[in-house]
Amino acid sequence: SQQGEEDPQALSIQEGENATMNCSYKTSINNLQWYRQNSGRGLVHLILIRSNEREKHSGRLRVTLDTSKKSSSLLITASRAADTASYFCATDAYNTDKLIFGTGTRLQVFP
Amino acid sequence: DTEVTQTPKHLVMGMTNKKSLKCEQHMGHRAMYWYKQKAKKPPELMFVYSYEKLSINESVPSRFSPECPNSSLLNLHLHALQPEDSALYLCASSTPTSGGDTDTQYFGPGTRLTVL
Repeated sequence: SQQGEEDPQALSIQEGENATMNCSYKTSINNLQWYRQNSGRGLVHLILIRSNEREKHSGRLRVTLDTSKKSSSLLITASRAADTASYFCATDAYNTDKLIFGTGTRLQVFP
Repeated sequence: DTEVTQTPKHLVMGMTNKKSLKCEQHMGHRAMYWYKQKAKKPPELMFVYSYEKLSINESVPSRFSPECPNSSLLNLHLHALQPEDSALYLCASSTPTSGGDTDTQYFGPGTRLTVL
């Protein structure tokens, strides 16, 4: 399977703490994306990082990419209860419209 | 308008029924997708339409039949489903890939399907 792996599978933290999720993938990529999914809802795009970028920020989100290790991390700083959701990384399959999703991390932020 | 809409939100059907899921977007996207998602699992790609033509079929059983009537609409026709087909069905749209770079996908809220 081309599917990426994410760890941890589940993460529970208190409001105000930082949350870090890791993604490993198997093939060469053009870009890597992170998506968020609230329970039973559609996915929402968070951030896209290209293969020639090493770090990207968007608000409280920080994404890093290490193509030599085929890995990425998503850091959410100063977490809030509203950040409770599942987070998926997704990589592109070269020159197709296909995204390959990782296994996901379920984040629970307690007030 | 950055919204992808899906109807119905919930669907319960018997194994002999025929039903359809509908998806609509008005962002001018020319790539549209169907995904199946089981609980606590990532979305699994089923079909991709690019410029209204089926470009990817991930070996989906023929009891699922996609249709793209125009650039804004995507249907998934269901017939003779099995209980294991119960899942959240997600539609998404994006700009079609060019130069090898896959674009952001915009997802609808999904249809929760239960097959009895």
